[in-house]
Amino acid sequence: DGGITQSPKYLFRKEGQNVTLSCEQNLNHDAMYWYRQDPGQGLRLIYYSQIVNDFQKGDIAEGYSVSREKKESFPLTVTSAQKNPTAFYLCASSRTNMNTEAFFGQGTRLTVV
Amino acid sequence: EDKVVQSPLSLVVHEGDTVTLNCSYEVTNFRSLLWYKQEKKAPTFLFMLTSSGIEKKSGRLSSILDKKELFSILNITATQTGDSAIYLCAVLIYNQGGKLIFGQGTELSVKP
Repeated sequence: DGGITQSPKYLFRKEGQNVTLSCEQNLNHDAMYWYRQDPGQGLRLIYYSQIVNDFQKGDIAEGYSVSREKKESFPLTVTSAQKNPTAFYLCASSRTNMNTEAFFGQGTRLTVV
Repeated sequence: EDKVVQSPLSLVVHEGDTVTLNCSYEVTNFRSLLWYKQEKKAPTFLFMLTSSGIEKKSGRLSSILDKKELFSILNITATQTGDSAIYLCAVLIYNQGGKLIFGQGTELSVKP
């Protein structure tokens, strides 16, 4: 079945450690996105990529980094520079240059202790 | 700066009530507006609106877009407890391929 897979579902890390969240899609979508969601709030855009080897900062990119070496994969690294990393992280993908909806993964809940 | 604003931020109603959720936007290179429902984890797609004045319906849910006034509404009639969720509005902008920006969401709680 086609879809987006995020892993892990839950992640605990100590303060000061970098952590990488995985996002893989087999929908053959060009565009991929990373969002952060805090309790009771909407989604804020961290980074997005419309093509392999290219990505752009979203509204809250500070303290995060991404790579897009393969079309299927868009991993997000939460660095120690991110001051408040505990949140729910959602990955999405969509077709580029077409008016279609974005599809979401099931999310990763990151807790930094 | 591109911006999507939803109101109200939260809403409590009783089963059977009708609710209207609002979404306004200020963006460059508007392409379409999307509504999603989020119950626990992944948002699920409801509607995509591209043209003004054309209502989209799915069961008890309907939505319409006004591109002149830059807003959209999502209506839910005869609400049920299963409608309790966060409703997210997003705008797709054409920015070298596309960029999807979300509002803050409206948290709807339907009481029995």
